[in-house]
Amino acid sequence: TQLLEQSPQFLSIQEGENLTVYCNSSSVFSSLQWYRQEPGEGPVLLVTVVTGGEVKKLKRLTFQFGDARKDSSLHITAAQPGDTGLYLCAGAPGNTGFQKLVFGTGTRLLVSP
Amino acid sequence: DTEVTQTPKHLVMGMTNKKSLKCEQHMGHRAMYWYKQKAKKPPELMFVYSYEKLSINESVPSRFSPECPNSSLLNLHLHALQPEDSALYLCASSQTYSQGASNQPQHFGDGTRLSIL
Repeated sequence: TQLLEQSPQFLSIQEGENLTVYCNSSSVFSSLQWYRQEPGEGPVLLVTVVTGGEVKKLKRLTFQFGDARKDSSLHITAAQPGDTGLYLCAGAPGNTGFQKLVFGTGTRLLVSP
Repeated sequence: DTEVTQTPKHLVMGMTNKKSLKCEQHMGHRAMYWYKQKAKKPPELMFVYSYEKLSINESVPSRFSPECPNSSLLNLHLHALQPEDSALYLCASSQTYSQGASNQPQHFGDGTRLSIL
């Protein structure tokens, strides 16, 4: 059973389009992180959301944490080829507070010029 | 450039070989992690070291043997691996591994791509 399900699994769009990636779980998380991984590299942290309902913006990327802290979304406005990569949500389930991360199933994004 | 350095970048080995993967960080982090990532899959946690002591072993087969000689170094010793062990092995670090630290960022290296013949 996968704790964090992401959708869609794969997204191929044209430059300038908008998109949303979803990260869903039936479990509560004290926080969720979003990473981007490019081919041949390790994941790089984009953002951490901690408070239910929180919205964080990083240039053209908008991250939201669900009110119940069970889900999160990533919205990209006017996607660019440089946004291409594997997007991973990750979190430490439960209330122990230890940073034993579980990664989501991943969303592979391809932005064509 | 990543602040977590992994060597080698690529490794091809036979099933009877013994090899080691190395990971180094100089950010003063006291928690270090090994992950395994198969193609088109997310990383899966293997081991967590906290203050040079093994905190978590996610039921990893004994043919993988981790070692943390000091706070900056993490090794993964490999012996008698199977073809299904072929994967990208990622090392990561964070400031600490402790209660209340679940929102700390993890810093990843670029991984070692391991192929077992």
